[in-house]
Amino acid sequence: GESVGLHLPTLSVQEGDNSIINCAYSNSASDYFIWYKQESGKGPQFIIDIRSNMDKRQGQRVTVLLNKTVKHLSLQIAATQPGDSAVYFCAESPYNTDKLIFGTGTRLQVFP
Amino acid sequence: DAGVIQSPRHEVTEMGQEVTLRCKPISGHNSFFWYRQTMMRGLELLIYFNNNVPIDDSGMPEDRFSAKMPNASFSTLKIQPSEPRDSAVYFCASSARREEADTQYFGPGTRLTVL
Repeated sequence: GESVGLHLPTLSVQEGDNSIINCAYSNSASDYFIWYKQESGKGPQFIIDIRSNMDKRQGQRVTVLLNKTVKHLSLQIAATQPGDSAVYFCAESPYNTDKLIFGTGTRLQVFP
Repeated sequence: DAGVIQSPRHEVTEMGQEVTLRCKPISGHNSFFWYRQTMMRGLELLIYFNNNVPIDDSGMPEDRFSAKMPNASFSTLKIQPSEPRDSAVYFCASSARREEADTQYFGPGTRLTVL
């Protein structure tokens, strides 16, 4: 029979547009946050991270924003490309642990 | 740097059989993690080690699962006996933990199917 799995929200964008993927985290004591990209059949790949003493960090074509007041994390991808199509996960690490707690993920689809 | 290495990449076995998954972390990393990914539950942490010592195994489903890290360059995750509900993709990851949590680098995963 058909199994019911997690419903992944999907973001569809046109090539060249900017993408914004949002994430709500659960633990106000978390002090480290990270975004991963997972392509089909592969392991999660590190994109960018941020610690709680910052509210913004930029990488190559990517920016992470952290709003601790509302426990919200976002990933901005500039000039989205077809190769950006994947599932994106945010993860949080509670203070004084090495554990990462992953969100359910968002599927990004890029159309030409 | 070869990254995190996992073997086998695919495993198909029958219910009741013992399954052993293997992982080699990145050289020099001192924190090590085993995860499981399923459609139903997403990506879940099973267990993690610091300097080869298990720190938190609260995510291990039940006694059928065990993980060992005999040295800094090798870990195993064993399921005995395996059941169909154990079917999932299993990932290991490592990080160079210094004073606080740091980036975890994942292996390519082992897709386990238990018939």
